[in-house]
Amino acid sequence: EADIYQTPRYLVIGTGKKITLECSQTMGHDKMYWYQQDPGMELHLIHYSYGVNSTEKGDLSSESTVSRIRTEHFPLTLESARPSHTSQYLCASMRAGEVNEQFFGPGTRLTVL
Amino acid sequence: AQTVTQSQPEMSVQEAETVTLSCTYDTSESNYYLFWYKQPPSRQMILVIRQEAYKQQNATENRFSVNFQKAAKSFSLKISDSQLGDTAMYFCAFMAYFQGAQKLVFGQGTRLTINP
Repeated sequence: EADIYQTPRYLVIGTGKKITLECSQTMGHDKMYWYQQDPGMELHLIHYSYGVNSTEKGDLSSESTVSRIRTEHFPLTLESARPSHTSQYLCASMRAGEVNEQFFGPGTRLTVL
Repeated sequence: AQTVTQSQPEMSVQEAETVTLSCTYDTSESNYYLFWYKQPPSRQMILVIRQEAYKQQNATENRFSVNFQKAAKSFSLKISDSQLGDTAMYFCAFMAYFQGAQKLVFGQGTRLTINP
């Protein structure tokens, strides 16, 4: 079944740790996105990619980095987590071409102590 | 800059009632798309309905319909015969081509509760 997956769903980690949030989709979509969402608040785009080896920063400045080595995989990395990084991170994908629906993953809720 | 404003942080109605969620946006673009997304508690964000700005006819999906007023830059969502499963955060979103990029700009969200 075509879908978009995120792991882990929940992560509690100490300050200074390096973390990678995983995002994979099985729909063959070229475009992928990372959003940051505080509880009950709007989503802010932090990274996006148009395809393999393509990554761009979004509208909200973020200390995280992303990579796109394979079409289906778009991981997000924080080299040194801080309490200010506590938030929910949502991954999304979209088919290239005309404007289409963005499909969202279930999200990773990150807490940095 | 593109902005999307949802002026109703929370709404609550009884099951089977009709409810309308408001959304306004600001853009200088002529070609754009508008969306309503639903985010149920602890569940994935899903698309409810979409509207192409060049289409004059309002989009409809079963119990969900929109009132798109292009001149007023207004895009409200009407939910008819509301059901308990409609309880969720609803986000209005705008998409246009920004220097070749296709990015969604979201409103602040409206928390909708359907009461039995």
